[in-house]
Amino acid sequence: ELKVEQNPLFLSMQEGKNYTIYCNYSTTSDRLYWYRQDPGKSLESLFVLLSNGAVKQEGRLMASLDTKARLSTLHITAAVHDLSATYFCAVVSFGNEKLTFGTGTRLTIIP
Amino acid sequence: DADVTQTPRNRITKTGKRIMLECSQTKGHDRMYWYRQDPGLGLRLIYYSFDVKDINKGEISDGYSVSRQAQAKFSLSLESAIPNQTALYFCATSDLSGTEYGYTFGSGTRLTVV
Repeated sequence: ELKVEQNPLFLSMQEGKNYTIYCNYSTTSDRLYWYRQDPGKSLESLFVLLSNGAVKQEGRLMASLDTKARLSTLHITAAVHDLSATYFCAVVSFGNEKLTFGTGTRLTIIP
Repeated sequence: DADVTQTPRNRITKTGKRIMLECSQTKGHDRMYWYRQDPGLGLRLIYYSFDVKDINKGEISDGYSVSRQAQAKFSLSLESAIPNQTALYFCATSDLSGTEYGYTFGSGTRLTVV
């Protein structure tokens, strides 16, 4: 059974600082997704990572994937208040199309 | 109009009542999913369907049933609602290949069982 773990669960950081959210998963995966969720809202797709060593960047967010370590990271550079949200990683198990989600990281950026 | 539409957006119901949550999509995707979100637990898969004649249980299907009325419609039913089914419910779709950004989520239905 695929398990996906994120840490930290809660993260409070100052504007301008850098930080990383980690996503570990337990079995071989086809793809890994990162999503953002604002309170009471739906999920917004940020990145999909398809292969070992994949790196994608959008603004102050950068995601990477190490399939050998079964680890993905979401790095935040010079955080701004607008990045405050809950971030989820989700993994598709090899051979099927079911997304399994991590528990989420609630990120709060303090001015 | 949204690609994936869920109705109702909010619902309060009493314990023991039957309730249906509806999902319709204009993406033309074959695959549809129902997820439940609880604080601190992320999203958990209830049921999924890869085409009209295919229905599969997810990790938390007990107490729920689904109906795939057409390619575009996938409904979730709680036959006899109980308070621990209070949660935020999301419908999602994906295309056959699950390509980049291939999962589309609805806006969610907030269900409260009292």
